[in-house]
Amino acid sequence: DIVMTQSPSSLAVSAGETVTINCKSSQSLFGSVRQKNYLAWYQQKPGQSPKLLIYLASTRESGVPDRFIGSGSGTDFTLTISSVQAEDLANYYCQQYYDTPYTFGAGTKLELK
Amino acid sequence: EIQLQESGPGLVKPSQSLSLTCSVTGYTITSGYDWSWIRKFPGNKMEWMGYISYSGSTNYNPSLKSRISITRDTSKNQFFLQLNSVTTEDTATYYCARSGGAFAYWGQGTLVTVSS
Repeated sequence: DIVMTQSPSSLAVSAGETVTINCKSSQSLFGSVRQKNYLAWYQQKPGQSPKLLIYLASTRESGVPDRFIGSGSGTDFTLTISSVQAEDLANYYCQQYYDTPYTFGAGTKLELK
Repeated sequence: EIQLQESGPGLVKPSQSLSLTCSVTGYTITSGYDWSWIRKFPGNKMEWMGYISYSGSTNYNPSLKSRISITRDTSKNQFFLQLNSVTTEDTATYYCARSGGAFAYWGQGTLVTVSS
């Protein structure tokens, strides 16, 4: 199985700050056929189901604000949230879909400072 | 608009089988994509359990392979999860989701507690 290591596990921020969440995979998620990285980011708020934010490592899902930016390639990926807003307080997960079994990171809890 | 909705018992006894239904509206499950079950444990760990494809083929997480079955009823546009021989460690919120790799559409989730 591909192991996804996500850091930090929690992050306390003030509104307006920029935050970075890291995700490292135990093997490359780069597919040579499509030349894409098979990595997604999700946001989950309490009592809600996960919401897809980013797919193919850097493509924003329709309707997702442009303050959410995905980057990285190979085994190292980053979700950057610029100018954090109160509505962004949630858990964030990375997930690889390069190969089954699909696997998730352990999550990062974004909290108010 | 594509919507998925899980249903099934919220309480299952140890050693019994867990059975859940995912009802899909707004998209025909035989038209495309894979249809997955995912669970989130207390403590927030998430696990992909398996999927049934639009063609009816299945792919299971090897960690569950001996206990899991995903089937479908195309006439009702539903797919199903059966997990056998459950233990308290199977207590989780269970989600159904549509994927083409990334999971773009999710159900609201249903909490299943395994307890005697």
